[in-house]
Amino acid sequence: GAVVSQHPSWVICKSGTSVKIECRSLDFQATTMFWYRQFPKQSLMLMATSNEGSKATYEQGVEKDKFLINHASLTLSTLTVTSAHPEDSSFYICSARDLLKDMNTEAFFGQGTRLTVV
Amino acid sequence: SQKIEQNSEALNIQEGKTATLTCNYTNYSPAYLQWYRQDPGRGPVFLLLIRENEKEKRKERLKVTFDTTLKQSLFHITASQPADSATYLCALVNSGNTPLVFGKGTRLSVIA
Repeated sequence: GAVVSQHPSWVICKSGTSVKIECRSLDFQATTMFWYRQFPKQSLMLMATSNEGSKATYEQGVEKDKFLINHASLTLSTLTVTSAHPEDSSFYICSARDLLKDMNTEAFFGQGTRLTVV
Repeated sequence: SQKIEQNSEALNIQEGKTATLTCNYTNYSPAYLQWYRQDPGRGPVFLLLIRENEKEKRKERLKVTFDTTLKQSLFHITASQPADSATYLCALVNSGNTPLVFGKGTRLSVIA
């Protein structure tokens, strides 16, 4: 089945530094990838929709200058958390769908990245 | 406002019994509904998809129903096993390539 690979699986960084998270679709092409954030015992909250070759669409309340998204190819999207603060500590998950299949189909998720800002 | 509610945060059942999880939604007209399993510290894994014109879907020990009048989906795991212990998420999609919107999930514990 389709695989989405997300790296790193966990990262600890100092407050004020930037962290980049990569999301790759390994055996399919995805024009659209989605980035979610999940706090403990909470649902996945959509942060942004990442479209290949164009600017990402951010959900209300998500700062686009803080969470930089780049989707340079059909198989890679990156999320950079800039000037990270402890309140940015969370579980970040990317998701993609297979272009070649019916659009009304399952989403494939990365393994998630546990970010801890100290 | 739009809501997706999974009305049990946690559910404990005995091994071998049928687990039934509920997903209710308000102010959505979903084209289809999906159920995912999420283990701690991992991303969700797809289980089943049911479309608006389908009443029921089955896959091995899993069964999903979808009642668009009641705006409710039920997710059943029959002959439950301790390995079924996880958080189960329902998710809606209105149409096309729009993103999934998730409920909070139900944490299922199957006790041997």
